[in-house]
Amino acid sequence: DTEVTQTPKHLVMGMTNKKSLKCEQHMGHRAMYWYKQKAKKPPELMFVYSYEKLSINESVPSRFSPECPNSSLLNLHLHALQPEDSALYLCASSQGLARSTDTQYFGPGTRLTVL
Amino acid sequence: AQSVTQLGSHVSVSEGALVLLRCNYSSSVPPYLFWYVQYPNQGLQLLLKYTSAATLVKGINGFEAEFKKSETSFHLTKPSAHMSDAAEYFCAVRSYNFNKFYFGSGTKLNVKP
Repeated sequence: DTEVTQTPKHLVMGMTNKKSLKCEQHMGHRAMYWYKQKAKKPPELMFVYSYEKLSINESVPSRFSPECPNSSLLNLHLHALQPEDSALYLCASSQGLARSTDTQYFGPGTRLTVL
Repeated sequence: AQSVTQLGSHVSVSEGALVLLRCNYSSSVPPYLFWYVQYPNQGLQLLLKYTSAATLVKGINGFEAEFKKSETSFHLTKPSAHMSDAAEYFCAVRSYNFNKFYFGSGTKLNVKP
């Protein structure tokens, strides 16, 4: 099973709302990633977790707050977002960070619209 | 630093024709290269990856790619396009310290009947 699941599939929120995106994998992977993808653009890395610890934060604004409660679950908490944050948010996982040939497996994404 | 460049943001082929999507890499060390496909409103699916075991890499759905060090290229090909191949294709390189993937800008493949 090489599945990464993401919920919800679609999310519409106002600029004052607080919401969360959820990502789950049961492949025993120890690295998990959040990407943001705007229309007709490649995915942009936001955060990397390794063994449930934040490894990389690509200078993402604090209105995005990641959380990794356990090795299978990754959340992205959203607060006070701007309309320009509307995008497809992709989660990915890989076995780890140490092996060059590790593949990243992607979830289907959450389509976020900020009004 | 590693990077990849995809030549051609849009490629259009007829059904049954050869598919060629271009990717060139920039790396001072042996690169670790990947091709992903993305269908509309979906996540990315791995097509194939170069692990230095063989220069010709076969992937899913009849795709393959050849690693050419002399040309710093990793072009994706398929002998005969199918309508279901219409999608966005991304070439990616994994950074030397393994923490990050760097994606190319993507090539949208259109298949005409």
